[in-house]
Amino acid sequence: AQKVTQAQTEISVVEKEDVTLDCVYETRDTTYYLFWYKQPPSGELVFLIRRNSFDEQNEISGRYSWNFQKSTSSFNFTITASQVVDSAVYFCALSGPDQTGANNLFFGTGTRLTVIP
Amino acid sequence: EAQVTQNPRYLITVTGKKLTVTCSQNMNHEYMSWYRQDPGLGLRQIYYSMNVEVTDKGDVPEGYKVSRKEKRNFPLILESPSPNQTSLYFCASSLSGASGTRQETQYFGPGTRLLVL
Repeated sequence: AQKVTQAQTEISVVEKEDVTLDCVYETRDTTYYLFWYKQPPSGELVFLIRRNSFDEQNEISGRYSWNFQKSTSSFNFTITASQVVDSAVYFCALSGPDQTGANNLFFGTGTRLTVIP
Repeated sequence: EAQVTQNPRYLITVTGKKLTVTCSQNMNHEYMSWYRQDPGLGLRQIYYSMNVEVTDKGDVPEGYKVSRKEKRNFPLILESPSPNQTSLYFCASSLSGASGTRQETQYFGPGTRLLVL
């Protein structure tokens, strides 16, 4: 069964601090994908990144970076020099083929990040 | 503009009064899905559709129905809503949802906030 754990329910940081959001996953599939989505206070879900299980290279996009480690089944997300606009709920998600062959998404419970000015 | 739309965005109803939440995408996506988001539980899949006339249950299908008569539309039907269906609902779509293919990213609609009294 697929499972995603985001142990940090809420995090508060002061603006310009770095912050890391943890994501640990469980799957028996050898081929799977990991995602991060952002949900700002307005409520929509914004896609941030997709990673497949064969690509363990870390990725950086501006102030955002992601660390994928298969050895620890983790896909952590770091925001460098946080800004107030980063305040949101962040979801980690996993997909892999289920018994019907569909790549359905399984979400963690989310981490609410508050950046204090 | 490529997008997933949902209507209505907000809905207050009473127990037992049938309602439909519409979802439409203009990206010619094969895969569509419905999720509900509840505090502390993240997003959970209700139903999904791999293509026209092909639908299947997700993790929490009880009390919901769906249909996929056209590729672009995937309505969510609550035949007899109950207060425990009060939630934030998201529709999502992706180019394909089949395993063995490159996992396509799911793009989400703006959400429908439902209150059942």
